[in-house]
Amino acid sequence: DTAVSQTPKYLVTQMGNDKSIKCEQNLGHDTMYWYKQDSKKFLKIMFSYNNKELIINETVPNRFSPKSPDKAHLNLHINSLELGDSAVYFCASSPRGLAGRQETQYFGPGTRLLVL
Amino acid sequence: AQTVTQSQPEMSVQEAETVTLSCTYDTSENNYYLFWYKQPPSRQMILVIRQEAYKQQNATENRFSVNFQKAAKSFSLKISDSQLGDTAMYFCAFMKHGGYGNKLVFGAGTILRVKS
Repeated sequence: DTAVSQTPKYLVTQMGNDKSIKCEQNLGHDTMYWYKQDSKKFLKIMFSYNNKELIINETVPNRFSPKSPDKAHLNLHINSLELGDSAVYFCASSPRGLAGRQETQYFGPGTRLLVL
Repeated sequence: AQTVTQSQPEMSVQEAETVTLSCTYDTSENNYYLFWYKQPPSRQMILVIRQEAYKQQNATENRFSVNFQKAAKSFSLKISDSQLGDTAMYFCAFMKHGGYGNKLVFGAGTILRVKS
């Protein structure tokens, strides 16, 4: 009965590799997000999608490419990984509320990425 | 641009006592949401409480309540009857009202330790 799930939970890789993180939500939400939590625990938005359409791209390097095949999935592909990409990546989703207003965001368990 | 400030990096409280975590924010928006999220050592981001700016009544959820002062742009979280399971990092967050895909803007977090 997992609401927002991410795979994998842990990812250890070498610099220069390409990797993907998958996110799925079974809540029927229209909007999905990726956030990055750095080593100081600071959380910052990377992307948001509404019904497969990109809404926010918060000055993220173009090595990061989100892909939303349908509104229940938002995957994150990272090319040419760098040491500074080491972080925890959170996926989140939110429903459409009354009169189309966005409501609360619900988070997945996070993916800890370590680039060596 | 919105900013969220949590001025207490760490706090501790004895079990069964009450503790208040501070949060201030800056925005030119009139309608918005404010949230407190909890991140225990498991890393999961858990919604604690939500406040809509147009509501004057302070939100409450069981042992958790907020003191929302819109004019002062202050949004503190009070935890009553603290329990060991409340030990976590607490994040205050701001979100604009309206539209789709709006980002959460987070504060730096406050580590709360509940002692037995």
